[in-house]
Amino acid sequence: KAGVTQTPRYLIKTRGQQVTLSCSPISGHRSVSWYQQTPGQGLQFLFEYFSETQRNKGNFPGRFSGRQFSNSRSEMNVSTLELGDSALYLCASSLGGPLETQYFGPGTRLLVL
Amino acid sequence: DQQVKQNSPSLSVQEGRISILNCDYTNSMFDYFLWYKKYPAEGPTFLISISSIKDKNEDGRFTVFLNKSAKHLSLHIVPSQPGDSAVYFCAFYSGAGSYQLTFGKGTKLSVIP
Repeated sequence: KAGVTQTPRYLIKTRGQQVTLSCSPISGHRSVSWYQQTPGQGLQFLFEYFSETQRNKGNFPGRFSGRQFSNSRSEMNVSTLELGDSALYLCASSLGGPLETQYFGPGTRLLVL
Repeated sequence: DQQVKQNSPSLSVQEGRISILNCDYTNSMFDYFLWYKKYPAEGPTFLISISSIKDKNEDGRFTVFLNKSAKHLSLHIVPSQPGDSAVYFCAFYSGAGSYQLTFGKGTKLSVIP
């Protein structure tokens, strides 16, 4: 079974721009979660989608948004990029029940200049 | 306010010996505990998990111990192998209906041949 895939793997943007990242979950998985990893803050939860609905949200500003499609694929958008948004963005999928193991993709490395 | 602390940023162990990675938490609502390992340029890989109703879970060379009264989680790797060299994260679900993982900041394990 194919794992979680994320595109693109690497991205360079400038301040003020916006960016869209994509995540394809493991087949049959209906939940997709997004995390931001930075050296200072570690892995932090952004939001989680299940059946096209945002079910959980972390403590990030409204510039961070996401959506999920009917095939469970998910996109994450960051508007008005700031230097501090430079990070590894990780997507994880699970079957969707509580306390399910989450399986991670390889991440998208975003650099904001 | 860190709810999860991995107090050792790094650990070096000789090949064949035991590696012990530790994690302390403050939130007594944490209900389900997981360990992930991460290689550079890859997403975290699930290793092993334990429910709050247990105090030990084994999977091959990996054993996780939970001490709820001390709010302490540990991962034992026996015997350690060079391929185990990676960053290890503990992660927690808070409550039976939780879909959001809270991560520690990680411990970098180096297994020396």
